[in-house]
Formats: sequence, structure tokens, C-alpha cells
Amino acid sequence: DAGITQSPRHKVTETGTPVTLRCHQTENHRYMYWYRQDPGHGLRLIHYSYGVKDTDKGEVSDGYSVSRSKTEDFLLTLESATSSQTSVYFCAISGGRPPITGELFFGEGSRLTVL
Amino acid sequence: DAKTTQPPSMDCAEGRAANLPCNHSTISGNEYVYWYRQIHSQGPQYIIHGLKNNETNEMASLIITEDRKSSTLILPHATLRDTAVYYCIVRAVSGGGADGLTFGKGTHLIIQP
Repeated sequence: DAGITQSPRHKVTETGTPVTLRCHQTENHRYMYWYRQDPGHGLRLIHYSYGVKDTDKGEVSDGYSVSRSKTEDFLLTLESATSSQTSVYFCAISGGRPPITGELFFGEGSRLTVL
Repeated sequence: DAKTTQPPSMDCAEGRAANLPCNHSTISGNEYVYWYRQIHSQGPQYIIHGLKNNETNEMASLIITEDRKSSTLILPHATLRDTAVYYCIVRAVSGGGADGLTFGKGTHLIIQP
């Protein structure tokens, strides 16, 4: 299995509080991604990174920011959590050259509940 | 990226081959076909990908029609652990980078004992 660790795995927080989810990889892969998954919407891309300090927005980036200061870590921050951000968040990584970059390896997910 | 169409659900008997179809009639010449699956509450798992030739690995086989407008994922001897949602994704992965994959609703495959 690809070395991907997400933390925390479960978190309950209140509306308006900041939340940071961490994705850590040991594969030295270039690309990292944050997805969210909700019933009825499937998996949606939030942000992705194509290198240290290189990030870009995905389909549902509003209300989220990311940072990647090291190859192995990709942080997802909710500056002020809202109930609509209650979701399961998945981190994914990929590396190599295309088309292998289409082979994403996913973490186990972080379940966030915003009350 | 080209749009894909998959049946929302399928059943298959344990031990039989599971054949999951995917229609991608607007696929472009530089677009690959990727298959993933997601077992309940776990992260999606990469299965296989192909461009125009049939592909096989330890998990499955991918059959792409000659006109590339459809494909079939084959699980040769389905087990109960193969019950999952299977996603067919078409994506042009060029040299410029990798901005992720777009997941649709997929096919919920249920393996019956």
C-alpha cells in the first residue's frame, strides 16, 4: 500500500472554528490532492499540488486553503468551518510521468463533522 | 475530459466473471481510460488503465473497443470482497502535469453469494 497518512481521522468541531487536515506521504510523489466526498455528489476535487509551494484550485475550492512546504506534507485548512463542510476528506498522491500520473493512491479519509 | 456513462448498479454471482461496461463515445485520441473502485467507507483504489490496447493486471482486465467509444472492466472470478462502486474515468494526461481525476457516480457492483 502507498504510504499515505491522514490526520486526524475523525474530528468534530463547531461552526466558525479553524480546522487543519494533514496528509503525509512517504512515497516522494510529486502530485498531491484533496477531495471531499458527500452523498449525492461523489468525489470532488478541492485543491491539488504539483510541487512544493505549487498549488491550484479544484472544483470546490471556496472556503478552503492549502499549503505544501515540504514534498511529504499537504495541509488542507478550513479557516472558519461551516456545517456545509461536514464531509469525508480524502487525500491522494500520484507520481511519475503521464499516464502514470493518472494512477492516484488514496488515503483512508478524514471524517469531519461541523456542528 | 470526455463524459462517461455507466449503469448505476449491477449484480454478479460469486465466482463468476463480472463485466462492467462504460460508454465514452466522445473520447479523444489522447485520452486514457482509468478504472477505480471504492469499497464502502474506504478511499478509492486504482485498478487499471489503457489507451487503445487491451490491458490485464493482477486485479482485472480492460477491454477497449476498436473505436475506443466504450470499454469493459472484467473481474474474472468475482468474490464478495469485490462488492464496491466502480468508476470509469476518461482523462487526457499530458506532459504538463496532473490536475487530478473527475469521478462520476460509477457502478455499484454487488456480488451475490
